[in-house]
Formats: sequence, structure tokens, C-alpha cells
Amino acid sequence: AQSVTQLDSQVPVFEEAPVELRCNYSSSVSVYLFWYVQYPNQGLQLLLKYLSGSTLVESINGFEAEFNKSQTSFHLRKPSVHISDTAEYFCAVKTDTGRRALTFGSGTRLQVQP
Amino acid sequence: NAGVTQTPKFQVLKTGQSMTLQCAQDMNHNSMYWYRQDPGMGLRLIYYSASEGTTDKGEVPNGYNVSRLNKREFSLRLESAAPSQTSVYFCASSEVPGGAEQYFGPGTRLTVT
Repeated sequence: AQSVTQLDSQVPVFEEAPVELRCNYSSSVSVYLFWYVQYPNQGLQLLLKYLSGSTLVESINGFEAEFNKSQTSFHLRKPSVHISDTAEYFCAVKTDTGRRALTFGSGTRLQVQP
Repeated sequence: NAGVTQTPKFQVLKTGQSMTLQCAQDMNHNSMYWYRQDPGMGLRLIYYSASEGTTDKGEVPNGYNVSRLNKREFSLRLESAAPSQTSVYFCASSEVPGGAEQYFGPGTRLTVT
């Protein structure tokens, strides 16, 4: 079975500063990896995904994540955050076996301060 | 396209009451899911339906039942609500059975007193 660990429950950061949200996973088989974002009082939206190919994936709003197989990590980074990035971010994993759905981490609340 | 819709948005129940949460998607997706979200625990899968006519248990199915009414609709029923079922419930759908990429509804906030 797979699992996902998000080490930080909250990350406060000042506007225009860089940020890294950490995600580690465990799985004995190949994985697909995702970051979802949840803005206040809304459902989750897909931010970016790693399915195969290049290990560095990017979103349209400046976030990027790198799949590191040796460290079983998929950390999310942004070089300069905005107030509007304040949200909860969930890392998720899916394996290629079986019909089960995504396994989510516990979430990291990013709080961008002016 | 409305995407994934859920009703109601909010609900308060007394212990022992029953209710059904409704979910519908207009993206012609094959698979649908029900999750619950609790503070510090992320999202946990309750039930899912890989395709019309099939349903399977997830991580936390106890106290819930589901119905995949047709390809569009997937309902979640609480037969006898308990305070431990106070949570935010999300419905999701995916084109591919198995959920490689999912689309979420806005959620239902349920309080059981």
C-alpha cells in the first residue's frame, strides 16, 4: 500500500519570498504524483502532476515540483509567492495497480503575509 | 459545464437521523468518488465507483452506503448519523477508472450533534 507524508502542517511566509512544501511518499511500485490546492471554502483543484517523462513539472501560476525517485519525494516550490497563493496544498499519490483512488497527504497550509 | 456539483452545501443532523448527499458530474466521466476531509488528516476515501454499476469500499466505509444511480450521479447515504461523521464531504470524478486525475465538487459541510 502507498502512503504520503507532508511534514509541515503550516508554512508562514512573507510575500515575494520563496517557498518549499515538502512531500514524501512510500510505495513498492511505480507511482503517479499530484499536488492539489484548496482555496478557502472551495473544493480541491489540480495544481500539477507527474505521470512520466521529465521529473520537473510546472504549473501555469509559477509553481514547480520535482520527482526524486531515490529520495521518494515530490516537493513543491515557488520562487516568489503572492498573497493569492494562501491556501491548503495536498500531495497525492496513485499507483498503477488496482482500481483504488488517490492517497492524500494530510495537507500543508501556506499562509502568505504582506 | 458545471463540472461536479454537490447538494446540500451545509447540513446539521441530530444523532441517529439519516440523510443522503447528492453528487452529479457533467463531464461524462466513468469513475466517481466520495471523500471525507477532517483537520490534520487530509482526504480519506469512503467509497468509489470505477464505472457505472460498480461500487467499492475505500479506507473508511463504515456507517455509509452509496448508490451509483447512473453515469452522472453518485450518492452517499448516512443511515444513522453519529457525531464522528461530522466532516466535510467531497465528491470527485475522473475520466479514467482508477482516478489518475480527479475533479472535485465544492463540498458538503455536515455537522452531527
